[in-house]
Amino acid sequence: AQKVTQAQTEISVVEKEDVTLDCVYETRDTTYYLFWYKQPPSGELVFLIRRNSFDEQNEISGRYSWNFQKSTSSFNFTITASQVVDSAVYFCALSTNKLIFGTGTLLAVQP
Amino acid sequence: DAGVIQSPRHEVTEMGQEVTLRCKPISGHDYLFWYRQTMMRGLELLIYFNNNVPIDDSGMPEDRFSAKMPNASFSTLKIQPSEPRDSAVYFCASSRTYSGNTIYFGEGSWLTVV
Repeated sequence: AQKVTQAQTEISVVEKEDVTLDCVYETRDTTYYLFWYKQPPSGELVFLIRRNSFDEQNEISGRYSWNFQKSTSSFNFTITASQVVDSAVYFCALSTNKLIFGTGTLLAVQP
Repeated sequence: DAGVIQSPRHEVTEMGQEVTLRCKPISGHDYLFWYRQTMMRGLELLIYFNNNVPIDDSGMPEDRFSAKMPNASFSTLKIQPSEPRDSAVYFCASSRTYSGNTIYFGEGSWLTVV
């Protein structure tokens, strides 16, 4: 069975703080893909990153970074020096034969 | 390139009415997906198509829901008759392949059934 758990329902930080969004996944497949999507208040789903199960290298893109650890089945997302524009719901997702989403984490960045 | 285009963006309808949601996938994408987002159930995959053929409709909630893809550039999701519990955001998405390839979403159709 596939499952994605985002235990943090809501996080509130003050601008310029660093924040980490947790994602834990479950799958029996050895080949799978992990994703993060952002859903800002306007409602659209914006693709942020894709990772395959064979690539455990961490990735950095500007203020965003992702830490993939197969040993703990985690794919965590860190925003450095958060900004108000980062306020959104962030979804972690897992794809084997279907793309399934976690329940999302609402991030509120206060000015 | 244009993204996934959905219409209408917002719809309010009365219980019992037929609702049709429309989607134009990204050109060249072979897979099309319909998702539903609610507070209670989060993002759920309803159905997906490959090369216009429905592959998995196990997520379609009941017979009141139907989806079609008459050609590579158009799909519909129909609810007949609609009920208040169908109120949700319906997303259409597309990708070049399925497993592992990035799925791009439309802006969603916000449906309210009163």
